[in-house]
Amino acid sequence: GENVEQHPSTLSVQEGDSAVIKCTYSDSASNYFPWYKQELGKRPQLIIDIRSNVGEKKDQRIAVTLNKTAKHFSLHITETQPEDSAVYFCAASPRDDKIIFGKGTRLHILP
Amino acid sequence: GAGVSQTPSNKVTEKGKYVELRCDPISGHTALYWYRQSLGQGPEFLIYFQGTGAADDSGLPNDRFFAVRPEGSVSTLKIQRTERGDSAVYLCASSLHLPPPQGTSGNHEQFFGPGTRLTVL
Repeated sequence: GENVEQHPSTLSVQEGDSAVIKCTYSDSASNYFPWYKQELGKRPQLIIDIRSNVGEKKDQRIAVTLNKTAKHFSLHITETQPEDSAVYFCAASPRDDKIIFGKGTRLHILP
Repeated sequence: GAGVSQTPSNKVTEKGKYVELRCDPISGHTALYWYRQSLGQGPEFLIYFQGTGAADDSGLPNDRFFAVRPEGSVSTLKIQRTERGDSAVYLCASSLHLPPPQGTSGNHEQFFGPGTRLTVL
């Protein structure tokens, strides 16, 4: 089945700097890649997603890139702010139903 | 409108007991998913319903776990003979997704509920 690896597990960046989180997936049939943000004690919330027919997608300070050949996808957050501190999960969908999540990256924005 | 709701928010039980966890999806959402999230981990897929039927139950860890969605809306996750290792946050999600041919691969967003924190003593 699908396996999603996520790195790093923890990331600290200075406020205003950029943060990059990287993921790999194993199932070449996966065609949907969402990213979720989870604050402490809260539910996961979708922040951006990308489909396998697109290489890059941007939404304000957040961008995702997808390399289907290498089975890599990444999340980029620019001009980080304190409210960006949270756990971020990448995920892959091998079919049009279940989502397989990575183990998460705890992002700390330092003042 | 109302989001996905789950009850109870917390459940403490003793090893060997039976528990039921309830999920109310967003009205009109045909797809419903159950995940389990252990501390410091990502959500782990358990089971997916499309309407009333379980389309994929490959994530259920063993036969102590069972889920139903009899009317295609509310779902109940049932755990028999609970074990300490079952302690986790159980998350439910719903989406508008309709697989082909009725739908497309368009809107996949899964909206999560707040979860039920299950503690087995």
